[in-house]
Amino acid sequence: AQTVTQSQPEMSVQEAETVTLSCTYDTSESDYYLFWYKQPPSRQMILVIRQEAYKQQNATENRFSVNFQKAAKSFSLKISDSQLGDAAMYFCAYRRGNTNAGKSTFGDGTTLTVKP
Amino acid sequence: DAGVIQSPRHEVTEMGQEVTLRCKPISGHNSLFWYRQTMMRGLELLIYFNNNVPIDDSGMPEDRFSAKMPNASFSTLKIQPSEPRDSAVYFCASQRTGTSKNTEAFFGQGTRLTVV
Repeated sequence: AQTVTQSQPEMSVQEAETVTLSCTYDTSESDYYLFWYKQPPSRQMILVIRQEAYKQQNATENRFSVNFQKAAKSFSLKISDSQLGDAAMYFCAYRRGNTNAGKSTFGDGTTLTVKP
Repeated sequence: DAGVIQSPRHEVTEMGQEVTLRCKPISGHNSLFWYRQTMMRGLELLIYFNNNVPIDDSGMPEDRFSAKMPNASFSTLKIQPSEPRDSAVYFCASQRTGTSKNTEAFFGQGTRLTVV
């Protein structure tokens, strides 16, 4: 079974600084997707970024980028120029990539605090 | 698109009462998921449907919980009878699977259930 591990229950960053959230996963599949979701205090789960395993290039979305290390099964999220609105819980998720794929497996989350 | 729509946003009920949570997935999405989120257990997958058929209900905690998806645009999660330990935020999510353009899961805003 696939597992997703987020080893940092809490992280903090100074506004305008950079922070990296860690995620590792375990799978025997070669085709899969990885995601980072953000859950602010409003509790809405918002997709931040996605990465297809077959792509070697790391995904980026504005201030958010990932460091995808397929061999190491690592998928970290880097937030640059942190803003107060980035404060939230962040979840890493994995999903198999074949056409019959269904559920995503989520990590336990990392709570990010942004200090002004 | 209005996104995944859940109702109600908040529900407070007395122990022993029946509770029904509702979800309208995004049009065109053929997979639907019910998650439960608590501080103690994080984000748990309760059940998911593909093309209105339940695929995996291994996460349903006990017989008091039941879920239905009578058509592609509506699903319910029912708890009968409810207990205080059922208090949590319940999320519905939908995604498109089984095609060449699989998407990530899109979440509703959740229903905060409190059983007193």
